[in-house]
Amino acid sequence: DAMVIQNPRYQVTQFGKPVTLSCSQTLNHNVMYWYQQKSSQAPKLLFHYYDKDFNNEADTPDNFQSRRPNTSFCFLDIRSPGLGDAAMYLCATSRFPGLDTEAFFGQGTRLTVV
Amino acid sequence: QQQVKQSPQSLIVQKGGISIINCAYENTAFDYFPWYQQFPGKGPALLIAIRPDVSEKKEGRFTISFNKSAKQFSLHIMDSQPGDSATYFCAASNTNAGKSTFGDGTTLTVKP
Repeated sequence: DAMVIQNPRYQVTQFGKPVTLSCSQTLNHNVMYWYQQKSSQAPKLLFHYYDKDFNNEADTPDNFQSRRPNTSFCFLDIRSPGLGDAAMYLCATSRFPGLDTEAFFGQGTRLTVV
Repeated sequence: QQQVKQSPQSLIVQKGGISIINCAYENTAFDYFPWYQQFPGKGPALLIAIRPDVSEKKEGRFTISFNKSAKQFSLHIMDSQPGDSATYFCAASNTNAGKSTFGDGTTLTVKP
Protein backbone atom coordinates (compact mmCIF):
# COMPACT_ATOMS: atom_id res chain seq x y z
CA ASP A 1 0.00 0.00 0.00
CA ALA A 2 1.34 3.38 -1.01
CA MET A 3 2.23 5.47 2.04
CA VAL A 4 3.22 8.70 0.30
CA ILE A 5 0.93 9.50 -2.59
CA GLN A 6 1.55 12.23 -5.10
CA ASN A 7 -0.99 13.55 -7.56
CA PRO A 8 -0.95 13.85 -10.41
CA ARG A 9 1.85 11.58 -11.65
CA TYR A 10 2.20 13.75 -14.76
CA GLN A 11 1.30 17.41 -15.08
CA VAL A 12 1.52 19.62 -18.15
CA THR A 13 1.14 23.33 -17.59
CA GLN A 14 1.51 26.42 -19.67
CA PHE A 15 4.35 28.86 -19.22
CA GLY A 16 3.31 31.32 -16.52
CA LYS A 17 0.14 29.49 -15.50
CA PRO A 18 -0.04 28.64 -11.78
CA VAL A 19 0.05 24.97 -10.95
CA THR A 20 -0.40 22.99 -7.75
CA LEU A 21 1.02 19.58 -6.97
CA SER A 22 -0.30 17.55 -4.07
CA CYS A 23 1.09 15.03 -1.64
CA SER A 24 -0.63 12.96 1.00
CA GLN A 25 0.72 10.52 3.56
CA THR A 26 -0.73 7.76 5.69
CA LEU A 27 2.28 7.49 8.01
CA ASN A 28 1.39 10.33 10.37
CA HIS A 29 4.93 11.63 9.98
CA ASN A 30 5.82 15.01 11.40
CA VAL A 31 7.93 16.18 8.50
CA MET A 32 7.00 16.59 4.85
CA TYR A 33 9.54 17.65 2.23
CA TRP A 34 9.39 18.86 -1.33
CA TYR A 35 12.33 18.09 -3.62
CA GLN A 36 12.97 19.09 -7.21
CA GLN A 37 14.85 16.56 -9.33
CA LYS A 38 16.03 17.37 -12.82
CA SER A 39 17.19 14.74 -15.24
CA SER A 40 20.29 12.82 -14.12
CA GLN A 41 20.66 15.01 -11.03
CA ALA A 42 20.27 14.50 -7.32
CA PRO A 43 17.07 15.62 -5.61
CA LYS A 44 17.29 19.23 -4.46
CA LEU A 45 15.43 20.20 -1.33
CA LEU A 46 13.05 23.14 -1.84
CA PHE A 47 11.51 23.31 1.64
CA HIS A 48 10.02 21.23 4.40
CA TYR A 49 7.36 21.42 7.06
CA TYR A 50 8.05 20.19 10.57
CA ASP A 51 4.48 19.97 11.83
CA LYS A 52 3.20 23.46 10.99
CA ASP A 53 6.61 25.11 10.93
CA PHE A 54 7.68 25.98 7.40
CA ASN A 55 11.40 25.82 6.57
CA ASN A 56 12.48 27.30 3.28
CA GLU A 57 15.87 26.56 1.74
CA ALA A 58 17.86 29.74 1.12
CA ASP A 59 18.14 29.20 -2.63
CA THR A 60 14.52 28.22 -3.30
CA PRO A 61 13.00 30.76 -5.70
CA ASP A 62 10.04 32.83 -4.51
CA ASN A 63 8.08 31.30 -7.36
CA PHE A 64 7.74 28.15 -5.24
CA GLN A 65 5.36 28.13 -2.29
CA SER A 66 3.96 25.41 -0.08
CA ARG A 67 0.95 24.77 2.11
CA ARG A 68 0.32 22.14 4.73
CA PRO A 69 -3.31 22.36 5.85
CA ASN A 70 -3.07 19.26 8.07
CA THR A 71 -0.71 16.44 8.98
CA SER A 72 -1.64 14.31 5.99
CA PHE A 73 -1.50 16.78 3.12
CA CYS A 74 1.09 19.09 1.66
CA PHE A 75 0.90 21.14 -1.53
CA LEU A 76 3.51 22.65 -3.80
CA ASP A 77 2.40 25.79 -5.61
CA ILE A 78 4.38 27.13 -8.53
CA ARG A 79 3.07 30.63 -9.12
CA SER A 80 4.47 31.29 -12.59
CA PRO A 81 6.16 28.22 -14.02
CA GLY A 82 9.04 28.79 -16.37
CA LEU A 83 10.63 26.37 -18.78
CA GLY A 84 13.41 25.83 -16.26
CA ASP A 85 10.93 24.51 -13.71
CA ALA A 86 10.24 21.39 -15.75
CA ALA A 87 11.37 18.55 -13.51
CA MET A 88 10.27 15.68 -11.32
CA TYR A 89 8.89 16.94 -8.03
CA LEU A 90 9.26 14.54 -5.14
CA CYS A 91 7.44 14.59 -1.83
CA ALA A 92 8.97 12.79 1.13
CA THR A 93 8.12 12.29 4.78
CA SER A 94 9.98 11.38 7.93
CA ARG A 95 9.30 11.35 11.64
CA PHE A 96 11.93 13.95 12.37
CA PRO A 97 13.89 16.41 10.21
CA GLY A 98 16.94 15.19 8.38
CA LEU A 99 15.53 12.18 6.52
CA ASP A 100 15.83 9.85 9.49
CA THR A 101 15.43 6.09 9.46
CA GLU A 102 11.78 6.22 8.48
CA ALA A 103 11.99 8.46 5.44
CA PHE A 104 9.73 7.64 2.52
CA PHE A 105 9.44 9.21 -0.91
CA GLY A 106 6.41 9.37 -3.14
CA GLN A 107 6.59 8.35 -6.78
CA GLY A 108 6.90 11.94 -7.90
CA THR A 109 5.05 14.26 -10.25
CA ARG A 110 6.67 14.86 -13.62
CA LEU A 111 6.01 18.50 -14.54
CA THR A 112 6.21 19.64 -18.15
CA VAL A 113 6.01 23.34 -18.99
CA VAL A 114 4.91 24.25 -22.51
CA GLN B 1 30.59 23.75 -1.90
CA GLN B 2 29.48 20.20 -2.52
CA GLN B 3 29.19 18.52 0.83
CA VAL B 4 28.83 14.95 -0.43
CA LYS B 5 30.89 13.69 -3.35
CA GLN B 6 29.80 10.45 -5.00
CA SER B 7 31.69 8.29 -7.46
CA PRO B 8 31.64 6.85 -10.00
CA GLN B 9 28.99 8.65 -12.02
CA SER B 10 28.17 5.44 -13.87
CA LEU B 11 29.08 1.79 -13.35
CA ILE B 12 28.68 -1.30 -15.48
CA VAL B 13 28.98 -4.69 -13.79
CA GLN B 14 28.45 -8.24 -14.98
CA LYS B 15 25.75 -10.33 -13.36
CA GLY B 16 27.14 -11.95 -10.24
CA GLY B 17 29.82 -9.31 -9.79
CA ILE B 18 30.33 -6.83 -6.98
CA SER B 19 29.18 -3.23 -7.43
CA ILE B 20 30.97 -0.62 -5.34
CA ILE B 21 29.87 3.00 -5.04
CA ASN B 22 31.79 5.49 -2.94
CA CYS B 23 30.88 8.69 -1.14
CA ALA B 24 32.93 11.23 0.77
CA TYR B 25 31.68 14.00 3.00
CA GLU B 26 33.08 17.13 4.59
CA ASN B 27 30.80 18.07 7.45
CA THR B 28 31.61 16.18 10.64
CA ALA B 29 28.19 17.08 12.01
CA PHE B 30 26.58 14.51 9.71
CA ASP B 31 25.27 11.65 11.82
CA TYR B 32 23.17 9.54 9.50
CA PHE B 33 24.14 8.12 6.10
CA PRO B 34 21.40 6.54 3.98
CA TRP B 35 21.57 5.07 0.52
CA TYR B 36 18.65 5.40 -1.86
CA GLN B 37 17.78 3.35 -4.93
CA GLN B 38 15.82 5.00 -7.71
CA PHE B 39 14.33 3.32 -10.75
CA PRO B 40 13.38 5.42 -13.80
CA GLY B 41 10.13 7.29 -13.28
CA LYS B 42 9.96 6.38 -9.58
CA GLY B 43 10.82 8.17 -6.39
CA PRO B 44 13.93 7.19 -4.42
CA ALA B 45 13.50 4.33 -1.96
CA LEU B 46 15.57 3.93 1.17
CA LEU B 47 17.86 0.95 0.66
CA ILE B 48 20.12 0.82 3.69
CA ALA B 49 21.52 3.32 6.17
CA ILE B 50 24.25 3.58 8.77
CA ARG B 51 25.16 5.75 11.73
CA PRO B 52 28.80 6.67 12.46
CA ASP B 53 29.05 4.52 15.56
CA VAL B 54 29.44 1.37 13.44
CA SER B 55 31.87 0.58 10.64
CA GLU B 56 29.74 -1.80 8.64
CA LYS B 57 26.10 -2.72 8.15
CA LYS B 58 24.85 -5.58 6.04
CA GLU B 59 21.35 -6.27 4.79
CA GLY B 60 21.11 -9.17 2.40
CA ARG B 61 23.33 -8.47 -0.61
CA PHE B 62 23.82 -4.82 0.36
CA THR B 63 26.59 -3.67 2.68
CA ILE B 64 27.62 -0.20 3.82
CA SER B 65 31.22 0.29 4.88
CA PHE B 66 31.89 3.41 6.91
CA ASN B 67 35.26 5.02 7.64
CA LYS B 68 34.72 7.85 10.10
CA SER B 69 38.32 9.06 10.18
CA ALA B 70 38.48 9.29 6.39
CA LYS B 71 34.93 10.68 6.19
CA GLN B 72 34.05 8.13 3.56
CA PHE B 73 31.36 5.50 3.14
CA SER B 74 30.58 3.05 0.42
CA LEU B 75 27.84 0.75 -0.81
CA HIS B 76 28.72 -2.77 -1.86
CA ILE B 77 26.23 -4.86 -3.82
CA MET B 78 27.23 -8.50 -3.80
CA ASP B 79 26.10 -10.93 -6.52
CA SER B 80 24.76 -8.02 -8.58
CA GLN B 81 21.63 -8.78 -10.60
CA PRO B 82 20.08 -7.10 -13.65
CA GLY B 83 17.20 -6.05 -11.39
CA ASP B 84 19.69 -3.96 -9.40
CA SER B 85 20.13 -1.69 -12.41
CA ALA B 86 19.08 1.72 -11.11
CA THR B 87 20.45 5.03 -9.93
CA TYR B 88 21.91 5.00 -6.43
CA PHE B 89 22.19 8.10 -4.28
CA CYS B 90 24.13 8.39 -1.10
CA ALA B 91 23.06 11.03 1.39
CA ALA B 92 24.33 12.51 4.59
CA SER B 93 22.12 13.97 7.28
CA ASN B 94 22.68 16.24 10.24
CA THR B 95 19.62 15.10 12.12
CA ASN B 96 20.08 17.72 14.85
CA ALA B 97 19.90 20.52 12.32
CA GLY B 98 17.38 18.71 10.15
CA LYS B 99 19.61 19.00 7.11
CA SER B 100 20.33 16.36 4.46
CA THR B 101 22.53 16.43 1.39
CA PHE B 102 22.47 14.01 -1.53
CA GLY B 103 25.36 12.88 -3.65
CA ASP B 104 25.04 13.32 -7.40
CA GLY B 105 24.06 9.71 -8.01
CA THR B 106 25.54 6.64 -9.69
CA THR B 107 23.82 4.92 -12.56
CA LEU B 108 24.40 1.19 -12.20
CA THR B 109 23.90 -1.18 -15.10
CA VAL B 110 24.17 -4.91 -14.43
CA LYS B 111 24.65 -6.88 -17.64
CA PRO B 112 23.13 -10.37 -17.86
